[in-house]
Amino acid sequence: EAGVAQSPRYKIIEKRQSVAFWCNPISGHATLYWYQQILGQGPKLLIQFQNNGVVDDSQLPKDRFSAERLKGVDSTLKIQPAKLEDSAVYLCASSVDLNTEAFFGQGTRLTVV
Amino acid sequence: GNSVTQMEGPVTLSEEAFLTINCTYTATGYPSLFWYVQYPGEGLQLLLKATKADDKGSNKGFEATYRKETTSFHLEKGSVQVSDSAVYFCARQGAQKLVFGQGTRLTINP
Repeated sequence: EAGVAQSPRYKIIEKRQSVAFWCNPISGHATLYWYQQILGQGPKLLIQFQNNGVVDDSQLPKDRFSAERLKGVDSTLKIQPAKLEDSAVYLCASSVDLNTEAFFGQGTRLTVV
Repeated sequence: GNSVTQMEGPVTLSEEAFLTINCTYTATGYPSLFWYVQYPGEGLQLLLKATKADDKGSNKGFEATYRKETTSFHLEKGSVQVSDSAVYFCARQGAQKLVFGQGTRLTINP
């Protein structure tokens, strides 16, 4: 069974530029998560989808971050404009539903310079 | 609220030593509990889970027991190997939220 796919693996951008990350969850998984993991910290939930609806985006900095999952499958996370403090690993995860274990992709390491 | 508190690291042990990494969680509702492991340069992998009180999750020689009376889910292994060097995360899933602890970096020396 294919796992969660993320791209790109690495990205370096200058501050104030924009960037987008892509995630393809495990087939049949209704729930999709985006987490931000700053070096030395645990993952912090940015946004959570159930199919194509948002369940929780309370910690998403909505002035610069946006995410969508239009057809309830793939998802994109965008940052515009980026700040230095956005440097982190962005993890996508999926689960069968809201109450089962999540499976993670390898993440996208973003460096903002 | 929903939170998880992990034993602060880093933890350094010799090969074949006994390992305990402490984890406590907020007792709101009836959460499921997980341990995830992150090897260098990789994403998080599910190590083990427990979905109700007194359940014991186990995998690859690691164990953790869901203790409702102490709101704990401590990770243990009887004899660690160099290949166990990684960052370990305790996580709590309840009320449709999956919340992680801050992680514990484990280094095993030969």
